Amino acid sequence: QVRLVQSGAEVKKPGASVKVSCKASGYTFTENAMHWVRQAPGQRFEWLGWTFTDTGYTTYSRKFQDRVTITRDTYATTAYMELTSLTSEDTAVYYCARGYEGTFDFWGQGTLVTVSS
Amino acid sequence: DIQMTQSPSTLSASVGDRVTITCRASQTITKWLAWCQQKPGQAPRLLISKISSLQDGVPSRFSGSGSGTEFTLTINSLQPDDFATYYCQEYNDYSGYTFGQGTKVEIK
Repeated sequence: QVRLVQSGAEVKKPGASVKVSCKASGYTFTENAMHWVRQAPGQRFEWLGWTFTDTGYTTYSRKFQDRVTITRDTYATTAYMELTSLTSEDTAVYYCARGYEGTFDFWGQGTLVTVSS
Repeated sequence: DIQMTQSPSTLSASVGDRVTITCRASQTITKWLAWCQQKPGQAPRLLISKISSLQDGVPSRFSGSGSGTEFTLTINSLQPDDFATYYCQEYNDYSGYTFGQGTKVEIK
């Protein structure tokens, strides 16, 4: 069965960076794009970007394009999302999600990133 | 960018009720409209893609419809497991993926 397992919760200070991993299993990793989506407390979901896992090509949301980097390791079947210059507004649960028909068919369990001084 | 507005924000219903959630887009969207369900502390679960395509394993009491700027998720005969928050989500080549603000279905 498809599984996306993310790395654990992080606490960061303002100005720092965070890198979250997403280990995929149960399917051929390079056959689907991998997306990153976040949900801040009381806010709607926000899409950060995606990577074509076969080529490594990436597309980012205009809102985050200056601060986010999405990478993947095909041998480890793992995707990564790094967000820089963190502020308190980046406190959120970050999800990886497999791309499918203009949406996301499987999601990771989420990684809570807390930004606090 | 396209804005997605769901109504209502909260809905109180009883087991067995028929429930309809509406999602309105600020611009005409094509076929890339999906619905997902989220329960507290859990990741979202995809219910419907491409407006009306029910995902494998999703009960047939869920259905999606609509076109243009107005779309609906209908739950026929609400079950105890259906009390959750529902989100619509669209995709377009220009701005990427956008979500509605969510509709919480509560027990009446």
